[in-house]
Amino acid sequence: NAGVTQTPKFQVLKTGQSMTLQCAQDMNHEYMSWYRQDPGMGLRLIHYSVGAGITDQGEVPNGYNVSRSTTEDFPLRLLSAAPSQTSVYFCASSGDLGLGYTFGSGTRLTVV
Amino acid sequence: KNEVEQSPQNLTAQEGEFITINCSYSVGISALHWLQQHPGGGIVSLFMLSSGKKKHGRLIATINIQEKHSSLHITASHPRDSAVYICAVQGGSEKLVFGKGTKLTVNP
Repeated sequence: NAGVTQTPKFQVLKTGQSMTLQCAQDMNHEYMSWYRQDPGMGLRLIHYSVGAGITDQGEVPNGYNVSRSTTEDFPLRLLSAAPSQTSVYFCASSGDLGLGYTFGSGTRLTVV
Repeated sequence: KNEVEQSPQNLTAQEGEFITINCSYSVGISALHWLQQHPGGGIVSLFMLSSGKKKHGRLIATINIQEKHSSLHITASHPRDSAVYICAVQGGSEKLVFGKGTKLTVNP
């Protein structure tokens, strides 16, 4: 099925650990983005990419790193996890303007 | 930065009622999105609007660019419509700014 695949669905990390959240899409979309969703707040943009080799920061980039070596994949790296990074993370992609966004199913991350 | 306000925050309705959710924003945009997030957490794109009105089944979305306002209507609401509805706006780039969402509960 065409869409955005996020892994893992759930993850518990200890403070200071690093990990990578995976995001892959098979729709040949140029634009990909990562968001975090926290209670009482709207989704907030972490990082985004407008194509392979091009990334930029969003609203809340600190503590996260991204790369885009292929059109399909856009991994999000947590360099040294902190309890403040406990959240639900969503990856999304978009192709031509006018067709909307496709979201992954989310990753629920807890940092203890 | 664009500020996106949704109202109401919470909405409870009886099955069959007509539902309206509102979204207003502070700065001109190129497009507005309505998203649906079900209790399981997944997010689905419902509409992308730059002007006028769009309809899909029992859902209707309208936008007034001059007033910086959009509405999402659900006709003949059903318990399966229970979800969080999120408004998001897009400026000159593809970056989205999101509202906090409206939690809709439809009782049978």
